[in-house]
Amino acid sequence: GQQVMQIPQYQHVQEGEDFTTYCNSSTTLSNIQWYKQRPGGHPVFLIQLVKSGEVKKQKRLTFQFGEAKKNSSLHITATQTTDVGTYFCAGRAGGYQKVTFGTGTKLQVIP
Amino acid sequence: KAGVTQTPRYLIKTRGQQVTLSCSPISGHRSVSWYQQTPGQGLQFLFEYFSETQRNKGNFPGRFSGRQFSNSRSEMNVSTLELGDSALYLCASSPGQTGTSNQPQHFGDGTRLSIL
Repeated sequence: GQQVMQIPQYQHVQEGEDFTTYCNSSTTLSNIQWYKQRPGGHPVFLIQLVKSGEVKKQKRLTFQFGEAKKNSSLHITATQTTDVGTYFCAGRAGGYQKVTFGTGTKLQVIP
Repeated sequence: KAGVTQTPRYLIKTRGQQVTLSCSPISGHRSVSWYQQTPGQGLQFLFEYFSETQRNKGNFPGRFSGRQFSNSRSEMNVSTLELGDSALYLCASSPGQTGTSNQPQHFGDGTRLSIL
């Protein structure tokens, strides 16, 4: 079945440093979504990418969808303590196939 | 607009019992998905319902079942509970209209189930 892996599993950064998490799917995806889950909270939708090679920005966050639509990345510039949480990617192989969530990257920001 | 509501928030059961969890989606949303979240396994997909029909199913044993009602509210049931069923069960809703499958999911706060 479809598998979606994320690396790294954990990342500790000093406040102000940059952070990147990578998402890799075993199959081609029709779209990729990114979610953030704060400690003790539930996943919250951040963004969706649909087109091959698509890049989207949200303030300090940059999201990229690979040309082959099998990988994606999230880059945070100049991390802040509010960025703490676990970042998940999630994708569908197509149509109404089930959504598969990545394994998640837990980000800790040291003030 | 009210968010996704899950009840109860916490539940303690013993092995062998069964449990029913409830999810009320955002008003107007017709698609409801259920996930199991554990520290070791991340977010595992259980099932997805749309207009009272199961649209997708994850790789869980038959002890896990669900249903959706005509008002889009959904329930999931776990029978013969095992220690390994201890987890946070999350429900997510989306509009789910035909032809628009790429929609963000809105999650509830979850039900934390502990099996003793």
